Amino acid sequence: AQRVTQPEKLLSVFKGAPVELKCNYSYSGSPELFWYVQYSRQRLQLLLRHISRESIKGFTADLNKGETSFHLKKPFAQEEDSAMYYCALSGIGGANNLFFGTGTRLTVIP
Amino acid sequence: NAGVMQNPRHLVRRRGQEARLRCSPMKGHSHVYWYRQLPEEGLKFMVYLQKENIIDESGMPKERFSAEFPKEGPSILRIQQVVRGDSAAYFCASSPPGQGRTEAFFGQGTRLTVV
Repeated sequence: AQRVTQPEKLLSVFKGAPVELKCNYSYSGSPELFWYVQYSRQRLQLLLRHISRESIKGFTADLNKGETSFHLKKPFAQEEDSAMYYCALSGIGGANNLFFGTGTRLTVIP
Repeated sequence: NAGVMQNPRHLVRRRGQEARLRCSPMKGHSHVYWYRQLPEEGLKFMVYLQKENIIDESGMPKERFSAEFPKEGPSILRIQQVVRGDSAAYFCASSPPGQGRTEAFFGQGTRLTVV
């Protein structure tokens, strides 16, 4: 069965410090991994997906199949990065079901 | 394109009443997903629908919950005889038709409170 684990419910870092939000998954096939973000009073929105291998707002995430991880990283945190971050997995062939982790609330301290 | 629209944003029901949550997908999207977020928990997949079809309802509770996505009109998540434990935020997402995995766009959610 598919499962997404985000071990940290809360994460606080100082502005300018590096950020890493952890995500581990379990899935027997070839998953597609996503990071979604929810800023205060806004709807959940896609931040990035592993297949596009791009950097969005300075964030990157690499899929590590050996460690079954998809950690989200940013070298220098900004105050506007404060939000809820959800790691999600889509794996059922052809369908778009997304399975979410429980989320990590990131607070960037000025 | 107004995005995924959910209404109402807030819904209060007494125990035993019915709750109807509506979701209008983005224009051109024919796939709809419902998620539930209980307090202090992540989003849990409930059901995946295409027009007039339920594709995957593996996350739906066996009783009292139903969902539809008719040919015309919004998708409806219906909860009969609500109980306190149904209090949660319910999110709808939509994605365009086609093969493969595409981005899902989320609505702002409906917060259901059962009193």
